Amino acid sequence: DAGVIQSPRHEVTEMGQEVTLRCKPISGHNSLFWYRQTMMRGLELLIYFNNNVPIDDSGMPEDRFSAKMPNASFSTLKIQPSEPRDSAVYFCASSLPGRADTQYFGPGTRLTVL
Amino acid sequence: GQQLNQSPQSMFIQEGEDVSMNCTSSSIFNTWLWYKQDPGEGPVLLIALYKAGELTSNGRLTAQFGITRKDSFLNISASIPSDVGIYFCAGRAGNKLVFGAGTILRVKS
Repeated sequence: DAGVIQSPRHEVTEMGQEVTLRCKPISGHNSLFWYRQTMMRGLELLIYFNNNVPIDDSGMPEDRFSAKMPNASFSTLKIQPSEPRDSAVYFCASSLPGRADTQYFGPGTRLTVL
Repeated sequence: GQQLNQSPQSMFIQEGEDVSMNCTSSSIFNTWLWYKQDPGEGPVLLIALYKAGELTSNGRLTAQFGITRKDSFLNISASIPSDVGIYFCAGRAGNKLVFGAGTILRVKS
């Protein structure tokens, strides 16, 4: 079975550009989580969805970040405009509803903003 | 907000040695989890603990849920080169996980 799929795996962009990260959760998983990982701050939850509805976006750093989940099999995390301090690895994870203890992580997108 | 203190930050051990790492929190968690992250990959769940005092094994890995529900430890016995990576503890708060900063494990063969 396919795990969580993220694209692109690597993204290099210039400051001010729009960046869109994509995630396909595991089929049948109704909860989806976006995380950011940096050396300084570790693994931080940005936002999570249940049944395509955003439940908690308190981790989203600022208005430049937005996330959508138009259907059960696709989610995006967008940064507009991007800044060098957004450079990090962004992970998407999914789980069965109510099973945050069993989250399956994707391979991550390494974002570099120059 | 809730924070987890994970120690040690890193370990460099000889192959065959046992490893111990732990995680403490100022808050109570009802679930403790341990993940491993290999380079270039996302974290993978190793062990989940659901009850205070619970001791659970997964092969050479053993983890315990502290009786105060504010701490957990992970032991790895007879380490091997493929054990290298970053180990994270996590506590479950509602439908969210709070992660520790990670323990970097290096193994000398």
